[in-house]
This record gives sequence, C-alpha cells and structure tokens, in this order.
Amino acid sequence: SAVISQKPSRDICQRGTSLTIQCQVDSQVTMMFWYRQQPGQSLTLIATANQGSEATYESGFVIDKFPISRPNLTFSTLTVSNMSPEDSSIYLCSVEDETGSSYEQYFGPGTRLTVT
Amino acid sequence: RKEVEQDPGPFNVPEGATVAFNCTYSNSASQSFFWYRQDCRKEPKLLMSVYSSGNEDGRFTAQLNRASQYISLLIRDSKLSDSATYLCVVTGNTGKLIFGQGTTLQVKP
Repeated sequence: SAVISQKPSRDICQRGTSLTIQCQVDSQVTMMFWYRQQPGQSLTLIATANQGSEATYESGFVIDKFPISRPNLTFSTLTVSNMSPEDSSIYLCSVEDETGSSYEQYFGPGTRLTVT
Repeated sequence: RKEVEQDPGPFNVPEGATVAFNCTYSNSASQSFFWYRQDCRKEPKLLMSVYSSGNEDGRFTAQLNRASQYISLLIRDSKLSDSATYLCVVTGNTGKLIFGQGTTLQVKP
C-alpha cells in the first residue's frame, strides 16, 4: 500500500486563525480524501480532493471553511479557516488502493488540531 | 437511523477468548465492506475486506449477510495486542466509505 505522510502532526491554534495541513503520498494516486475525526467519534468524510479541479464536498462542509488544493497526483492540502474550538479534531487524508477492485482506503497518520 | 451501526462496547475479554462484533448497515446498495482497526491516537488501518462468501485471515473471520444487511467479525484466541477499536465500514453511493462509530475491545491478561 501507499505510504502517506501528513504535516503537521499536531498543532495548537488560536481561534480566528487558519491552518493548512499537507498530505504527501509516495506514489501517484487518483483518489485522495480528507476526513475529520472529532473526539470520541468516528470518521466523517469532508471532501474528495480532485486533481486539476475543485474538490467535491460532503453535506455540511463548504469550500470557504475547508479549501482544498490538489496540484498533482501525490499531494494535497486542506486548510481549516477561521478556526473555532469546535474545529478541534483529528484531520486525516486517505488514498484509495488502485491495485484491487474494491474501494480499500489507506490513511495518513493524521493531524491533531486543538483550537483555543 | 445511522447508516452504519455498531455496539460501541467496550468488550472486556480475557486473553484466549473468542469475541464477536456485529454491525448493521442501512444502504442496501452498498457494494464493499471492510473492518478497520484503530489504535488509540493512531490512524485507522485496514484489517480485512469482507466478501459475500465470508473470509478468514488467521484468527480473524469476517461474514457478510446481504439479506439482513449485517456484517460480523470474529476474533479467536484473543491477544493483548488485539486491544483496539474496530470500525465497520461500508461503501455508500458513489463508493464513498461510511464509518461506524467503532467497537472497543480490551483484552485482559
């Protein structure tokens, strides 16, 4: 499976500021995703990062709050804008395995964000 | 109703025990099914895909019942290292993954 890294691994930010999270994959992948995992909760898909076009957002998530870039097939960024304490969460990127026929996904180590 | 439902547990079992987790899903059109494992403060890792015929990987057996929209995971001869949260995952429309809230397993010596 692909090796995925994320930066930063954790951060503590003040409300009203923005943080950009980077996701790097060691091979070219078509499908990349961004998830959020709030404390004590399971994963929720934020958006699909599309290479060369705008990201596809899930219900409840908007581009102004979570702008996403996907400049090539190995890299993506997620920005959490105008942060509030409710944005404190783990943010994970994932990629879809392109060697099989199912939708198996593999996750980066996550970025632990605390907003004060 | 949640799209994927799991008993959150925790399940506390002694080493060597057999433990089973269940999961139900609401979308009859779901095509792919998985069990992921998530250790504390770590990312989820794919444990196994679940096939209609059922599949086994060492001490782990997964079963799928499409008619009942039900998935199970059986762990035999539990090890201390099996302690984790087990996430039931199904595909929704367009292949997106939908995660259950997870079942926590604690294996005691």
